[in-house]
Amino acid sequence: SQTIHQWPATLVQPVGSPLSLECTVEGTSNPNLYWYRQAAGRGLQLLFYSVGIGQISSEVPQNLSASRPQDRQFILSSKKLLLSDSGFYLCAWGRGNEQYFGPGTRLTVT
Amino acid sequence: GIQVEQSPPDLILQEGANSTLRCNFSDSVNNLQWFHQNPWGQLINLFYIPSGTKQNGRLSATTVATERYSLLYISSSQTTDSGVYFCAGPTLSGYSTLTFGKGTMLLVSP
Repeated sequence: SQTIHQWPATLVQPVGSPLSLECTVEGTSNPNLYWYRQAAGRGLQLLFYSVGIGQISSEVPQNLSASRPQDRQFILSSKKLLLSDSGFYLCAWGRGNEQYFGPGTRLTVT
Repeated sequence: GIQVEQSPPDLILQEGANSTLRCNFSDSVNNLQWFHQNPWGQLINLFYIPSGTKQNGRLSATTVATERYSLLYISSSQTTDSGVYFCAGPTLSGYSTLTFGKGTMLLVSP
């Protein structure tokens, strides 16, 4: 069966510091991969998606970037965090029309 | 892209009560998913239901694609049903991206 991992689970970072969040998927190959952010107030916003190694599409302009160095690894990064980057970051994998989510990383920028 | 509206935004139930959550979408869809976000933030897949009716224990879902809505039924609610329920439909831009509604926050009290 497929599993998806995210780390770290929680993170507190000062403004201006770099960020690296990692997501890995097991038990499947060539999945679509997605990064979402959930700010306070519930809504999920799609940030990036990837259909293959090195292929990244961005949904919204922002302070973040994503990379897919391996088939089942998806990384979310920032060179300098802003206060507005705080939130709950969720990684998901998908095949066809269904998506499955990881446990998330709660990021607080202070 | 597609618009997804959920109602009600908040719902409080006594344990044992039944409820119906609704999801309206602005355009015809070929896939529709329901998720439950538990208090720890994990998004759990409930149903992939582009049309018709499915049941899983006390939960069932019906999608009427021609009328652009889906319903999630929760029967004999339990405190563990508390959390936020999201529906999501396909974004028209492709690559199996999803657009989420803002969710229904359910609180089941003992």
